[in-house]
Amino acid sequence: EIVLTQSPGTLSLSPGERATLSCRASQSVSSSYLAWYQQKPGQAPRLLIYGASSRATGIPDRFSGSGSGTDFTLTISRLEPEDFAVYYCQQYGSSPTFGQGTKVEIK
Amino acid sequence: EVQLVESGGGLVKPGGSLRLSCAASGFTFSSYSMNWVRQAPGKGLEWVSSISSSSSYIYYADSVKGRFTISRDNAKNSLYLQMNSLRAEDTAVYYCARDRSGSYPDDAFDIWGQGTMVTVSS
Repeated sequence: EIVLTQSPGTLSLSPGERATLSCRASQSVSSSYLAWYQQKPGQAPRLLIYGASSRATGIPDRFSGSGSGTDFTLTISRLEPEDFAVYYCQQYGSSPTFGQGTKVEIK
Repeated sequence: EVQLVESGGGLVKPGGSLRLSCAASGFTFSSYSMNWVRQAPGKGLEWVSSISSSSSYIYYADSVKGRFTISRDNAKNSLYLQMNSLRAEDTAVYYCARDRSGSYPDDAFDIWGQGTMVTVSS
């Protein structure tokens, strides 16, 4: 099983600031089968990024993904009020697994 | 509108059974692999099971293997999860989710239902 470790656990930032979230895999993620999701309280997760760097339909370009192998990053260039949420990375190459999540909270 | 709607959750005693359903609409259900993902209260996401478009390929997390059975009825645009021998640790919101593309389950999950709560308690 591929274990995904996200850091930091909580990120305290102000609107307009840049957010950088990390996801590290215990072994190489094949073909960059790495996705990022956003989840707000009481809601289902929403797909943001797939294939490590491709934005899903309707996702604003302030969200970007990068990385390969075992190290991946989600960057939110300028935080909007609606971006404060929990973010999960997921590998879907074999037996999908999720990271434990990073909470982006208002400072 | 592309939509997934889960149903069938509720309160069940340890050792009991429950069958979840997920009704799909707004897309060609028979062309997509489907998945179940759960989230225990206050916790993160856990993948449970996946099924290919024609049911030829089925996968389970180790935590539910031998107890849960995923299935689908393409004629009814529906996905199911039969849960037997339920344990307290199975308590969670259960989401159905669609694979982004292709008939084989190896893509990100692009459409999610609103979830159905399963509580296992005596």
